[in-house]
Amino acid sequence: DIQLTQSPSSLSASVGDRVTITCRASQSIGTYLNWYQQKPGQAPKFLIYAASSLQSGVPSRFSGSGSGTEFTLTINSVQPEDFATYYCQQSSSVPPFTFGPGTKVDVK
Amino acid sequence: VQLVDSGGGLVKPGGSLRLSCAASGLTFSHHNMAWIRQGPGKGLEWVAYISFGSSTTYYAESVQGRFTVSRDNARNSLYLQMNTLTVDDTAVYYCATATGYGLFRYFDYWGQGTPVTVSS
Repeated sequence: DIQLTQSPSSLSASVGDRVTITCRASQSIGTYLNWYQQKPGQAPKFLIYAASSLQSGVPSRFSGSGSGTEFTLTINSVQPEDFATYYCQQSSSVPPFTFGPGTKVDVK
Repeated sequence: VQLVDSGGGLVKPGGSLRLSCAASGLTFSHHNMAWIRQGPGKGLEWVAYISFGSSTTYYAESVQGRFTVSRDNARNSLYLQMNTLTVDDTAVYYCATATGYGLFRYFDYWGQGTPVTVSS
């Protein structure tokens, strides 16, 4: 099975900061990598598919990049509503549909 | 699109529970579906997947042989039959649409989740 790791596991940021989260796969997964945002007490929200394609309605300050085994989610100028936990998920080799362990972004 | 999860509750170890997910605002019969869970204070764990016509099902190793995913396209509903429950199955369970093409598959719409607690 493909394993996903995320770094850092948590980070603190101020409004307006640029935030970068890394997701690494245990083997090459091409660009079959998706990103989700989850706020406390809420269901996850789908953000990015195919490593870099923004889901409709997601603000353009979110972007994704990468291929193979290393991927990044970047939030340019983080806003108050962006403080949440972010998960990556792969679909290159299923089952299982693996999720990363999550990165919590909180207020500095 | 709206997905409404229901059926969660408190159950004793070894017991059974059936979760439901009612879908609206989409052509349900055209969508592959999945169940994903989140244990207390934990991350997301994919549980089960079913294709739009029920011909293909997948399960996480942790639930294989104990859980069964099914759907009724006429009722726009998804189900998860959970048997032989253990304390490790305690989680919030979400249904989600599993969209995409080829290997590009992602979970784009999610229910609100239904909590399952397995405890004696």
